[in-house]
Order: sequence, then structure tokens, then C-alpha cells
Amino acid sequence: QKEVEQNSGPLSVPEGAIASLNCTYSDRGSQSFFWYRQYSGKSPELIMFIYSNGDKEDGRFTAQLNKASQYVSLLIRDSQPSDSATYLCAVLRGRGSQGNLIFGKGTKLSVKP
Amino acid sequence: KAGVTQTPRYLIKTRGQQVTLSCSPISGHRSVSWYQQTPGQGLQFLFEYFSETQRNKGNFPGRFSGRQFSNSRSEMNVSTLELGDSALYLCASSLGTGPPADTQYFGPGTRLTVL
Repeated sequence: QKEVEQNSGPLSVPEGAIASLNCTYSDRGSQSFFWYRQYSGKSPELIMFIYSNGDKEDGRFTAQLNKASQYVSLLIRDSQPSDSATYLCAVLRGRGSQGNLIFGKGTKLSVKP
Repeated sequence: KAGVTQTPRYLIKTRGQQVTLSCSPISGHRSVSWYQQTPGQGLQFLFEYFSETQRNKGNFPGRFSGRQFSNSRSEMNVSTLELGDSALYLCASSLGTGPPADTQYFGPGTRLTVL
């Protein structure tokens, strides 16, 4: 079982719709969870992070964490064509693993005008 | 505040050569992590430096090494280059306080091509 798993997509949604991106992780000791966006040919850009169960909202983005189910998701409301990118889920495990983010392979999102 | 910078942005080398990549973190950040990104393997952790000490290391051969200077700038060296080392090399900086809230910010990357 991979440490961090994401559906590779592509996930295609119409402009204005809600895009839902999912991620599961295997290490129950994982403490922090990050969503990065990566445009083709560019480096990952942090969208948001979450470390408490529940929802965390930032503008059009909402991260959801369920530690019991080892599941983290990212919702993008009112999707725009500029949101078309690969979304990377990353996990930071406990102390002793500082600086070592474990990444999923990413989900490619396409927002159609 | 200036972001993470990496130099050079592009490199072309031949097999057997060595290469040194440089990373300057965000001001005030003491941790620098290095990652290799390839289409097949995705983003993989190489190592992390904090206060000039390697604090964590990934599963890469000893040809990959790094160091960090007192100003938190970091270098990564790859010796005896192989074709499979062609990748985007990314560095990320953070405060280095560890979980749960320590957040890494990535530089633009160095694209290495080995011929």
C-alpha cells in the first residue's frame, strides 16, 4: 500500500462547479496534511494545510480531514479555468520526520469554460 | 518577503559528471528540504537540513549529498551522474519547527538533464 494515494484523474469539471479532490494515507501517526497546486512546468505552490479533524476554509478552498478514516480532501468551489493544474496531497508524519513531506502522485484537474 | 530561490534553473550534463545545485531559503527559515520530481516516481524526498545538520534522509544512494551553511543556504551535490538522475530538483524551506504547523514553501526548481 502506498503511503499517500490520490486518484490520478484527469478530473474534469465545468466552470463554476465544485471540484472534489481526495487523498488517503496509510500512516496513522501522520500529523499534518498539505495541498499543493502545480501548474505544468512550475513548482508546487501551497494552497492550504490542515491538522485537526474537520473542515478548514480559505476563500474558495475547503480542506477536510478525517483521521479515523485516514482521509483528507480538498473542495474547490466556483472552479475557474485557472484552477486547471495538478493537485498534490502531502503528509507530514510525526516528530523525527521533520522536513520530510510524503507526496501522492497528484490529481490532474481540468476546468472547462 | 522574497521566496525560495534556486540556481541554476537549467542544467545539461553528461553521464559521469557531477553537479552542484544551490538553494536560498525564505529569510528566517532554518530548514531546507530537497526533493526529486520525475514523471514516473513523482516527488521524492532526498534530505533535510536544519541548522547546518542533516536531520532527515530519504532513500537515495550516497551519490546524492548536501550541506547547509550558517546563513541557511543549502547546496545539493550529485556525483557520477546517471541518465536516471534527469529530473526536476526542488528545494523547500520552512521554519523547521516540525509538525503539526511547519509549512514548506518550494523554490522554482532546477531542471537537470543528463545526456
